[in-house]
Amino acid sequence: KAGVTQTPRYLIKTRGQQVTLSCSPISGHRSVSWYQQTPGQGLQFLFEYFSETQRNKGNFPGRFSGRQFSNSRSEMNVSTLELGDSALYLCASSLGDSPYEQYFGPGTRLTVT
Amino acid sequence: GQSLEQPSEVTAVEGAIVQINCTYQTSGFYGLSWYQQHDGGAPTFLSYNGLDGLEETGRFSSFLSRSDSYGYLLLQELQMKDSASYFCAVSYDSSYKLIFGSGTRLLVRP
Repeated sequence: KAGVTQTPRYLIKTRGQQVTLSCSPISGHRSVSWYQQTPGQGLQFLFEYFSETQRNKGNFPGRFSGRQFSNSRSEMNVSTLELGDSALYLCASSLGDSPYEQYFGPGTRLTVT
Repeated sequence: GQSLEQPSEVTAVEGAIVQINCTYQTSGFYGLSWYQQHDGGAPTFLSYNGLDGLEETGRFSSFLSRSDSYGYLLLQELQMKDSASYFCAVSYDSSYKLIFGSGTRLLVRP
């Protein structure tokens, strides 16, 4: 079975721009979660989608948004980028019945200059 | 808030046993997971404890005590490849949201 894939793997953007990241879950997984990982803050939960509905949201500003498509693929968007948004963005998929066993993608490394 | 505490760094010798502790806030606690992340890699799931007691998976075991709001990951017969960061993660109130600890960096020395 193919693992979780994320595109692009690396991205450099300028302050004020917006960015869209993509995640394709493992086949059959209906839940996709997004996390931001930085050296200072660790792994922080952004949001989780199941069957195209956002079930949970973390404590991030409204500039961070996401969506999920009918094939379970998910995208997250960050608008008006700030320097502090530089991070590794990870998505993880699971069957959706519980959050405990998640399968992570390789991440998208976003650098904001 | 919902915070977890785990040591920032642990060093051990190849072949030894190491225990990584994790304490969490009790209110609404649902279950404890452990993940491993090598430098430059993605986190990978190691184990889950929903009930008190020990869960064993090969060289790795995980323990949970709900009464003490405490769990640990035990790594036996340490190998160099076990050098990585280890994260405990909890879910509260049956939400589909995992809260991760700040991670414990394990360094295995020859």
